[in-house]
Amino acid sequence: NAGVTQTPKFRVLKTGQSMTLLCAQDMNHEYMYWYRQDPGMGLRLIHYSVGEGTTAKGEVPDGYNVSRLKKQNFLLGLESAAPSQTSVYFCASTRTGTINQPQHFGDGTRLSIL
Amino acid sequence: SQQGEEDPQALSIQEGENATMNCSYKTSINNLQWYRQNSGRGLVHLILIRSNEREKHSGRLRVTLDTSKKSSSLLITASRAADTASYFCARNAGGTSYGKLTFGQGTILTVHP
Repeated sequence: NAGVTQTPKFRVLKTGQSMTLLCAQDMNHEYMYWYRQDPGMGLRLIHYSVGEGTTAKGEVPDGYNVSRLKKQNFLLGLESAAPSQTSVYFCASTRTGTINQPQHFGDGTRLSIL
Repeated sequence: SQQGEEDPQALSIQEGENATMNCSYKTSINNLQWYRQNSGRGLVHLILIRSNEREKHSGRLRVTLDTSKKSSSLLITASRAADTASYFCARNAGGTSYGKLTFGQGTILTVHP
């Protein structure tokens, strides 16, 4: 049981390049989330999904797009990377939106944009 | 924007001592959760305490919640070097929040052997 798997683990991009971060969960969780973590800032929610085919904006969605074509996968895209998007990105999932459920996190993708 | 504040930002103790971390928040909650993050890893869920609960235990962990003061604390007793990590509180607002969490900035705990 792998839980939440994020790929890639590390990536260096040049400004203006695009890329997609993949999150896969094998727990049949309904809800999935993308966060970014910057030094001293804790985690901030970028986008989330409450089920296959649905997405919604979080606290800091600008510059990112997401897709949830399959229940187990949640993709985060950067169309034109900017240095301000240098961060560690975490994906999480939870069983349902029922209250009192913890989130399960992947190990993150470390992204540097030069 | 961050909805929670954690205190202290960093804590350095000796093995065997107790570690207490505090979390304050500004708006109402349905539950408050504590997570641990080892260096270079993702967050791991520790304890969830509901708004109608005042105290919860799990092994060497004790969490208290005071909704009147909008604050929570995490106590780690008899700390070990392996407890060295960052600890985060996260608030769930319930209702139509879709399980979303709002995280504090974390406390970095260092336990010296």
